[in-house]
Amino acid sequence: QKEVEQNSGPLSVPEGAIASLNCTYSDRGSQSFFWYRQYSGKSPELIMFIYSNGDKEDGRFTAQLNKASQYVSLLIRDSQPSDSATYLCAVKEPGGYQKVTFGTGTKLQVIP
Amino acid sequence: DAGVIQSPRHEVTEMGQEVTLRCKPISGHNSLFWYRQTMMRGLELLIYFNNNVPIDDSGMPEDRFSAKMPNASFSTLKIQPSEPRDSAVYFCASSLTTGGNEQFFGPGTRLTVL
Repeated sequence: QKEVEQNSGPLSVPEGAIASLNCTYSDRGSQSFFWYRQYSGKSPELIMFIYSNGDKEDGRFTAQLNKASQYVSLLIRDSQPSDSATYLCAVKEPGGYQKVTFGTGTKLQVIP
Repeated sequence: DAGVIQSPRHEVTEMGQEVTLRCKPISGHNSLFWYRQTMMRGLELLIYFNNNVPIDDSGMPEDRFSAKMPNASFSTLKIQPSEPRDSAVYFCASSLTTGGNEQFFGPGTRLTVL
């Protein structure tokens, strides 16, 4: 059973701080990793994806991948109250199809 | 593009009744996914299709659940008979096999089985 593990939180950070969200996965062959954001009562939406070891930056968001440790993280700089949501880590299985396994998500609360 | 369309948005039914959820994927997308989300189990993949063909239905809980994709623009998820433990939000998502692999989710159907 392929697993994607996340701390459910809630993770509370003050406005303007850095929020760090973490995810581990069990399938060493996984090659594609995604972070989705889900506001309460809404559907998930993709905010970042990463394929290679290292960091990938997009605005205030940075995804970090360490395949040797089977670890992927999302950093949110200058956190805003509008960042308050549940963040889902998703890992794509090796192969040509698009099946991904989602973690249960980490709830982030940014305190004004 | 209108995005992924799901209907109904809310469904309340009684135990034992048949429930049919509908999904229209984004035009041109060739992969379609049905997920179920609950507080306890998070987002679970039920089944996914590629080019209208079911590829993996290992997430379908039991024989009460069935899914079809008769053409590239329509899919259904049916529960018969429904049970209270089926209460959840059901999402449909679509994507392209090539490219960035992003899945685009519909707004979901909130199902309540009394």
